[in-house]
Amino acid sequence: RKEVEQDPGPFNVPEGATVAFNCTYSNSASQSFFWYRQDCRKEPKLLMSVYSSGNEDGRFTAQLNRASQYISLLIRDSKLSDSATYLCVVGERSSYKLIFGSGTRLLVRP
Amino acid sequence: GAVVSQHPSRVICKSGTSVKIECRSLDFQATTMFWYRQFPKQSLMLMATSNEGSKATYEQGVEKDKFLINHASLTLSTLTVTSAHPEDSSFYICSARGDNGSGNTIYFGEGSWLTVV
Repeated sequence: RKEVEQDPGPFNVPEGATVAFNCTYSNSASQSFFWYRQDCRKEPKLLMSVYSSGNEDGRFTAQLNRASQYISLLIRDSKLSDSATYLCVVGERSSYKLIFGSGTRLLVRP
Repeated sequence: GAVVSQHPSRVICKSGTSVKIECRSLDFQATTMFWYRQFPKQSLMLMATSNEGSKATYEQGVEKDKFLINHASLTLSTLTVTSAHPEDSSFYICSARGDNGSGNTIYFGEGSWLTVV
């Protein structure tokens, strides 16, 4: 079983749509949680950290359910520029190691 | 803000040769750097954790004699792929742990594309 699992997609949505991505992780001792965005042939870039209380950054909302070991990302009012691969990432606090999911590809069409 | 620079961004080498990739933290000291590898349409896979002044810690299945990591200073870590083969062709990315004043943050380099022919 992979440590971090995601639906690979692709999710093909029209501009303005709302889209949700889910992720599960296997290590219950994980301490930090993130969503990264990766554009084709580029390095990953931090989109947002994820907290148990849930957090929002503009059109992006992230949720963490520690009991279910489940992380989600909601994107509202999708833009063409949101097209990318979204990586669910889990961190070990003691070592700062990051474990990446395989990513979910999003395609936003006009 | 903090920047991590990788060099070269792209490299083509012949099978059997060695290639070195550098990872530099430009305006902060990085006590820990991480090296990842990403094959097409796959996730980033952690190869090793590099601590300044000590030997790198390799993940299971990563050959330490093939992927030599040196972290000689607080701003530089290098990854050398020795006796490269076509199956080593991949996207190699480093990241560095730095303190941005509000806690430790991970910063990624731009990545290095290695093609072995």
